Amino acid sequence: AQTVTQSQPEMSVQEAETVTLSCTYDTSENNYYLFWYKQPPSRQMILVIRQEAYKQQNATENRFSVNFQKAAKSFSLKISDSQLGDTAMYFCAFMSHNNAGNMLTFGGGTRLMVKP
Amino acid sequence: DAGVIQSPRHEVTEMGQEVTLRCKPISGHNSLFWYRQTMMRGLELLIYFNNNVPIDDSGMPEDRFSAKMPNASFSTLKIQPSEPRDSAVYFCASSLVGGNSPLHFGNGTRLTVT
Repeated sequence: AQTVTQSQPEMSVQEAETVTLSCTYDTSENNYYLFWYKQPPSRQMILVIRQEAYKQQNATENRFSVNFQKAAKSFSLKISDSQLGDTAMYFCAFMSHNNAGNMLTFGGGTRLMVKP
Repeated sequence: DAGVIQSPRHEVTEMGQEVTLRCKPISGHNSLFWYRQTMMRGLELLIYFNNNVPIDDSGMPEDRFSAKMPNASFSTLKIQPSEPRDSAVYFCASSLVGGNSPLHFGNGTRLTVT
C-alpha cells in the first residue's frame, strides 16, 4: 500500500513571497501520478497541479510548480508570488498507474496562511 | 459545464436515524469515488465504482455503511443507523477510468450526528 506524508501541518508566508510545501511518498511502483489539491475554507477540493512519474520535467501551472525527485520519492509544491487567495489546506496525493482505478491516496495536508 | 453535484450540503440528524447522501458525477465520467474527511483521519477512500460496478469497498468502515450506483449519473451513500462518530464531511468525486485522469470533487456534504 502506498503512503503519503506531509510533514508540515501548518505554514505561513507573506504576500508576494515564495513558499514550498513538502510531500514524500512510499511506493514500490515505477509508474504513477502525483497531484496537489487545494482546499480553501469553502471546502471545495481544487486540483492545483499534477505530475507523471515517467516525466523528468517538473510540472508548472502559472505560479505553481513542483520539484519532483523520483529517487527520493519527494514531490514538493512551490507557490511563487503568494496571494491572499492561496490561503487554504493543501493536499498531496498519489495515484497508482494501473487498470483497477484512479483512486487517490492523500497526505494529511498542510494548512497555508498567506499574510498581508 | 456542471461539476460533481452533491446533496445535501449540510445534514444534521440524530443518532440512530438513517442518512442518505447523494451524488451526480460529471457527465461522461465512468469512475466514482466516495471519500470521508475528518480531522483525525484526514481524507479516506470509502468505496469506488467503475462503470457503475463497485470495485473496492474495503474502506467502508462498517456494515452500517452502504453505497449504490444504479446508473451512470447517480450514486448514494447510506448510513443506517447513524452514530455521532460518523460526523464528517463526505466527498464524492468522479473521473475517467485509466490513465492519469484527475478526480473532480463535489463540494461535499457536512454530516453532523447528534
